Amino acid sequence: DARVTQTPRHKVTEMGQEVTMRCQPILGHNTVFWYRQTMMQGLELLAYFRNRAPLDDSGMPKDRFSAEMPDATLATLKIQPSEPRDSAVYFCASGTLTGGAYEQYFGPGTRLTVT
Amino acid sequence: AQSVTQLGSHVSVSEGALVLLRCNYSSSVPPYLFWYVQYPNQGLQLLLKYTSAATLVKGINGFEAEFKKSETSFHLTKPSAHMSDAAEYFCAVSTPSGGYNKLIFGAGTRLAVHP
Repeated sequence: DARVTQTPRHKVTEMGQEVTMRCQPILGHNTVFWYRQTMMQGLELLAYFRNRAPLDDSGMPKDRFSAEMPDATLATLKIQPSEPRDSAVYFCASGTLTGGAYEQYFGPGTRLTVT
Repeated sequence: AQSVTQLGSHVSVSEGALVLLRCNYSSSVPPYLFWYVQYPNQGLQLLLKYTSAATLVKGINGFEAEFKKSETSFHLTKPSAHMSDAAEYFCAVSTPSGGYNKLIFGAGTRLAVHP
């Protein structure tokens, strides 16, 4: 049963610290997405990749967030420096073309708390 | 530009009653439409999708949705609610940007099922 995995599942850190979240997409999927979910804003798309190349990161605060995909099995989202307003659940999803449309498969998320 | 509106942020039904979750979309091109479900502390899971084939789409867990172009709607239904259906449900539309692999999500509808 192929799944998207994310680590860590929970992270508590102090303001100003660097945070790195990792995602292993489903093998063979060629698109990877990073989302942020909060009560106030709902689900927001931060960035996405196709074939490891960044296609759109317009949803990401550029001064502190960065997303990379160093190889086909690993995507990372970094926040440096972190701020309390970054507290949220961060989801990674990988996608594949099925029946004419891309389906996205979500990981379990990383719950980030910045104090 | 594509967008999705989910009417009703909270819906409550009795066990065994009909479930109806409403979704209206706006799209300048023929849309691909999706319903996802999110259980507490989990990622989103695909329920069903519409890709311009049959207008009535059947998904997992007994859910189905009907695409109505004239009403620009894609409402989700289930004839008989189970307690296990309690979750948050998201409607989404995919956009031509990036080859239909980017999703725009609605704000979500939280479904409560009471005995």
